Amino acid sequence: SQTIHQWPATLVQPVGSPLSLECTVEGTSNPNLYWYRQAAGRGLQLLFYSVGIGQISSEVPQNLSASRPQDRQFILSSKKLLLSDSGFYLCAWSRSGWGTEAFFGQGTRLTVV
Amino acid sequence: ILNVEQSPQSLHVQEGDSTNFTCSFPSSNFYALHWYRWETAKSPEALFVMTLNGDEKKKGRISATLNTKEGYSYLYIKGSQPEDSATYLCASVNQAGTALIFGKGTTLSVSS
Repeated sequence: SQTIHQWPATLVQPVGSPLSLECTVEGTSNPNLYWYRQAAGRGLQLLFYSVGIGQISSEVPQNLSASRPQDRQFILSSKKLLLSDSGFYLCAWSRSGWGTEAFFGQGTRLTVV
Repeated sequence: ILNVEQSPQSLHVQEGDSTNFTCSFPSSNFYALHWYRWETAKSPEALFVMTLNGDEKKKGRISATLNTKEGYSYLYIKGSQPEDSATYLCASVNQAGTALIFGKGTTLSVSS
């Protein structure tokens, strides 16, 4: 069966510090991978998606970047965090095509102080 | 960017009440419509994935309908229970057909 792992679960970082959140998927190959963020009082916002190794698309301009160094690994990074980067980050995967659902990780609660 | 709207934003009902939520999305270049349930401290979990106009799906007391021509979907909960309390998210696929775009969700609270 397929599983998705996301870590860490919670993170408190000072403004200006770097960020690295990691997500890995097991039990499937060539998944579509996604990073979403839920800021306080807002819905799930798509940040990045990837349909293959090294292929990253960004939905919104921001202080973050994403990388996919391996087929089932997706990393969200920042060189210098801003207060506005605080939020709940969710990694997700889906099979190619949209007839089936997306599967989400447990999420990371990031607080930038 | 594809815009998905959900209403109401929040809803409070009594145990046993039936309720419904609305999701609206652009009807052009439609790919699929997803409904997810997101409980506090858990990951969103899929309820339904619908692709055809007129689709109706049911899972226990929860059902959903889809109208792709006019760009809306309804989620119905019959006889709400406290364990139905959660945020219900709908999502449609972006124009490139590569990613799910979510609405802000409807937060349901069911009192016993």
